[in-house]
Amino acid sequence: QVQLKESGPGLVQPSQTLSLTCTVSGFSLTSYHVGWVRQPPGKGLEWMGVIWTGGSTAYNSLLKSRLSISRDISKSQVFLKMNSLQTEDTATYYCARDLRPFDYWGQGVMVTVSS
Amino acid sequence: EIVLTQSPTTMAASPGEKVTITCRASSSVSYMHWFQQKSGTSPKPWIYDTSKLASGVPDRFSGSGSGTSYSLTISSMEAEDAATYYCLQRSSYPWTFGGGTKLELK
Repeated sequence: QVQLKESGPGLVQPSQTLSLTCTVSGFSLTSYHVGWVRQPPGKGLEWMGVIWTGGSTAYNSLLKSRLSISRDISKSQVFLKMNSLQTEDTATYYCARDLRPFDYWGQGVMVTVSS
Repeated sequence: EIVLTQSPTTMAASPGEKVTITCRASSSVSYMHWFQQKSGTSPKPWIYDTSKLASGVPDRFSGSGSGTSYSLTISSMEAEDAATYYCLQRSSYPWTFGGGTKLELK
């Protein structure tokens, strides 16, 4: 069955770089796009970016200068890297398969930016 | 950026009551998508391409709209429908979500 699971550090220091991994199963990254969405505590959803089946990417312009999404097809993994983290980047980060759109979501990983 | 404004922000409905949530876009979009999220869980796809129900969504839900105005309607409120609903547009970058409508059971 289709599954996505995010992993990464729960705590990141301000100004540091966040690295998250989304490990997928039940589908191929060459057949489905995968996107990232985040949600600050008690707030709404924010689309961050997507990696298409062909490997190209699209980013939210508000984050574009700090954000990078890549993948390892052989490992069925999608990676998110975002630099210069600030406290306002504290959020739950989700990866989601992008069909229809976002038909399957991971459980999310909570990331706190704090010293 | 297309801004999506949902109304109301919060609301409470009694069992059996009809519920309508509106999502207004700052510019015209081709389709609207909706997600349901319950506290502490990941969002779930609910309605896509404006009016198509995602798998497993009860048929008391419906979606409609065009241009800059879209809506999600529940024909008869049930307890399990209490949740936060978000609209999403993908007509132009960046894709944007509405701020959410929290629906509670009265």
